[in-house]
Amino acid sequence: DSGVTQTPKHLITATGQRVTLRCSPRSGDLSVYWYQQSLDQGLQFLIQYYNGEERAKGNILERFSAQQFPDLHSELNLSSLELGDSALYFCASSAMSAGANTEAFFGQGTRLTVV
Amino acid sequence: GIQVEQSPPDLILQEGANSTLRCNFSDSVNNLQWFHQNPWGQLINLFYIPSGTKQNGRLSATTVATERYSLLYISSSQTTDSGVYFCAVPNYGQNFVFGPGTRLSVLP
Repeated sequence: DSGVTQTPKHLITATGQRVTLRCSPRSGDLSVYWYQQSLDQGLQFLIQYYNGEERAKGNILERFSAQQFPDLHSELNLSSLELGDSALYFCASSAMSAGANTEAFFGQGTRLTVV
Repeated sequence: GIQVEQSPPDLILQEGANSTLRCNFSDSVNNLQWFHQNPWGQLINLFYIPSGTKQNGRLSATTVATERYSLLYISSSQTTDSGVYFCAVPNYGQNFVFGPGTRLSVLP
């Protein structure tokens, strides 16, 4: 158990819908990262938050947004869903930001299927 | 941003064989991690290894930061070692960049 909790584990929804993925980081970790992994693909960085503030953005679509709350949990909102958004979405956390000597731990992922 | 390469892309082994996986990165880094993604999709931390050598059971890893590469050794492989192995490095303080992975299949 990495200590990072993601809910839900599985999600099936229709095109055009909106979903929210939730992540609770490890206790004490200030950084949260979101990654997308499409079928048989690598891990693509979406966005990072550090202590409530957006720190870095990757190839995140405008239909996607995220936030980190005062208790440090994070949510990833995906709207106007398309078939191509079907993927495994991972949340990771680390004590500090990625540039420091800090280790990242990953949640079990949310498997999103858009039908 | 920083580029990460991994080799080989695919590896098929007979149970009991040894293997070496390689990770090259394009710029100096102050940390590096190896992960195993099992067939159920879980990403499991194997090593946090900014430099030097670490061992954990049948697995060991070596990072030579000055030459920008890391190696993951798997000895006496087992079918449970199957999956994809990723290395990841920090991207100038913003996020962790992952290599494309090495897909390992261990046959009984």
